[in-house]
Amino acid sequence: DQQVKQNSPSLSVQEGRISILNCDYTNSMFDYFLWYKKYPAEGPTFLISISSIKDKNEDGRFTVFLNKSAKHLSLHIVPSQPGDSAVYFCAAREIGGSEKLVFGKGMKLTVNP
Amino acid sequence: GAGVSQSPSNKVTEKGKDVELRCDPISGHTALYWYRQRLGQGLEFLIYFQGNSAPDKSGLPSDRFSAERTGESVSTLTIQRTQQEDSAVYLCASSPGTAGEQYFGPGTRLTVT
Repeated sequence: DQQVKQNSPSLSVQEGRISILNCDYTNSMFDYFLWYKKYPAEGPTFLISISSIKDKNEDGRFTVFLNKSAKHLSLHIVPSQPGDSAVYFCAAREIGGSEKLVFGKGMKLTVNP
Repeated sequence: GAGVSQSPSNKVTEKGKDVELRCDPISGHTALYWYRQRLGQGLEFLIYFQGNSAPDKSGLPSDRFSAERTGESVSTLTIQRTQQEDSAVYLCASSPGTAGEQYFGPGTRLTVT
């Protein structure tokens, strides 16, 4: 029973264009969402987060959008750069529960020069 | 200055043997987490330590898995009588407290033959 779903395993975009990574969740008790980026042989690194009381959070080239009614969030990267090529994980935390994160399976982004 | 460190980086063991994996969190971080990532899967929560509180062990897959943490520093994850399905990358993360993003180590790749 996957509570956080990243339905597309991979995405390929051209340098300079927008990358849109999608994530769906099923647990309405999630109150905080995060995106992590992972390079091979390294641990995931935190990218950006959003609280459930907001619908958008922006940090430089990265913007996360949250649609609570649809239980959907997305990460926009614009403009995409070759160094953005990595696996991106969507994660969520439950209200009042342990601080553990529930992760999606990840999506491999390839940005072509 | 370090970030989260883990050792060993790779471990190959025979089925039935016990293994110990070590995590050194970022100094001053009160929360410590263990996750594992099996091939093609997302990160799966195992256990969470927060200060002197009782750990959240809800993610441990069987009683062959245990973990300890010394104060607010080093943690050891022990897997007894390893099985082939235990093969995975085991990731440790720490955070400064509640509501903080988690900082991951590079992981230990465990292969059970």
